[in-house]
Amino acid sequence: QSVLTQPPSASGTPGQRVTISCSGSRSNIGTNTVNWYQQLPGTAPKLLIYSSNQRPSGVPERFSGSKSGTSASLAISGLRSEDEAQYYCATWDDSLNGHVVFGGGTKLTVL
Amino acid sequence: AQLVQSGSEVKKPGASVKVSCKASGYTFTDHDINWVRQATGQGLEWMGWMNPKRGNTGYAQRFQGRVTMTRDTSISTAYMELSSLTSEDSAVYYCARATLGDCSGDNCYSYWFDPWGQGTLVTVSS
Repeated sequence: QSVLTQPPSASGTPGQRVTISCSGSRSNIGTNTVNWYQQLPGTAPKLLIYSSNQRPSGVPERFSGSKSGTSASLAISGLRSEDEAQYYCATWDDSLNGHVVFGGGTKLTVL
Repeated sequence: AQLVQSGSEVKKPGASVKVSCKASGYTFTDHDINWVRQATGQGLEWMGWMNPKRGNTGYAQRFQGRVTMTRDTSISTAYMELSSLTSEDSAVYYCARATLGDCSGDNCYSYWFDPWGQGTLVTVSS
């Protein structure tokens, strides 16, 4: 059971806009910023969004992040076939002397 | 910046495994190294962090007493050793460079992983 809750799956057709939610609590998302990682099959995770809404260089503007209260969201607009991947949210949790927590992951399927 | 990990390992139950993570393209002592593992078909599980400059560490509660994170600054390499292995420890182990960013708000912490190593498959089998 992951500390952060994500839907196990999401889907959309090419060109659509899809959002993936990530729900936490006061000790994690409620206090700290959220990061999103994309994991393509058979590869290491890659940073997609950091500090809740910042894109690293090289990440397309189609990807955006937001945070409100104890929840965060990842939005992907203009969906493309290459976006089909596993997406994980993560953040720092202040409990237990501080530690990193991940969501269980969302498998995005491009129909 | 790049992290390159050591190769796959096969271990027997009860043994220990030590995975290395060599950093290049940045100053090794400027960023924490974290370790994350992923069992086949499962999600990401955080194991702990290590500060290469001071050598201090912080481990996830479930690995306390079984994991040790160290480094050799002369060769910009971090290590993760996991002992008393069981079949449940079979997984891909990743190292990742952490960055601590600015964050508004009281006690806010902004901490992210980039880049990640390519992963090291550890198989525990009798």
